[in-house]
Amino acid sequence: EAGVAQSPRYKIIEKRQSVAFWCNPISGHATLYWYQQILGQGPKLLIQFQNNGVVDDSQLPKDRFSAERLKGVDSTLKIQPAKLEDSAVYLCASSPRTSGGVTGELFFGEGSRLTVL
Amino acid sequence: KQEVTQIPAALSVPEGENLVLNCSFTDSAIYNLQWFRQDPGKGLTSLLLIQSSQREQTSGRLNASLDKSSGRSTLYIAASQPGDSATYLCAVSPPNAGGTSYGKLTFGQGTILTVHP
Repeated sequence: EAGVAQSPRYKIIEKRQSVAFWCNPISGHATLYWYQQILGQGPKLLIQFQNNGVVDDSQLPKDRFSAERLKGVDSTLKIQPAKLEDSAVYLCASSPRTSGGVTGELFFGEGSRLTVL
Repeated sequence: KQEVTQIPAALSVPEGENLVLNCSFTDSAIYNLQWFRQDPGKGLTSLLLIQSSQREQTSGRLNASLDKSSGRSTLYIAASQPGDSATYLCAVSPPNAGGTSYGKLTFGQGTILTVHP
């Protein structure tokens, strides 16, 4: 079974530029998450999708961050304009739904590392 | 607001030792608790998931326990090996409100484990 795919793996930009990250979840996983992990910290949830609808974006800085999940599969996360403090690893995760209930297990991609200069 | 703390922040042990990593959380109303492993420059790999109704889970040399009432979990690694060197993260999810909250993980900052030959 293929895992969660993310691209690009690395991106270096200057502040005020824009950047976009792409995620392809595990096939059949209805729920998709974007997390931000700043160096030395645990990941922090930015946004959660259920199919192609947003379930929770309360921690997404909406003045500069946007995300979409068209057709309920792939997702993109965009930052425009980037700030120095956006330097982080952006992790995408997906979650299955098991028969008879929800286990809640998350499967993470390898992340996209962003450096803002 | 849920807060997750991991102790110690870093741990260095010789190969073969049994070791314990600690995780504490402030709000005992959780859906589940997960332990993850993160290798440098990589994403997160799920190690063990404990549902709130369970007390422990085991996988190979790993054993995780959960005491929800006291807000604590421990990850026990038996007979450590250099390949176990990584950052270990624990994360908790809120109660499963409407079946969509389980993936909204709150992470600790991680324990950096080094196992030397």
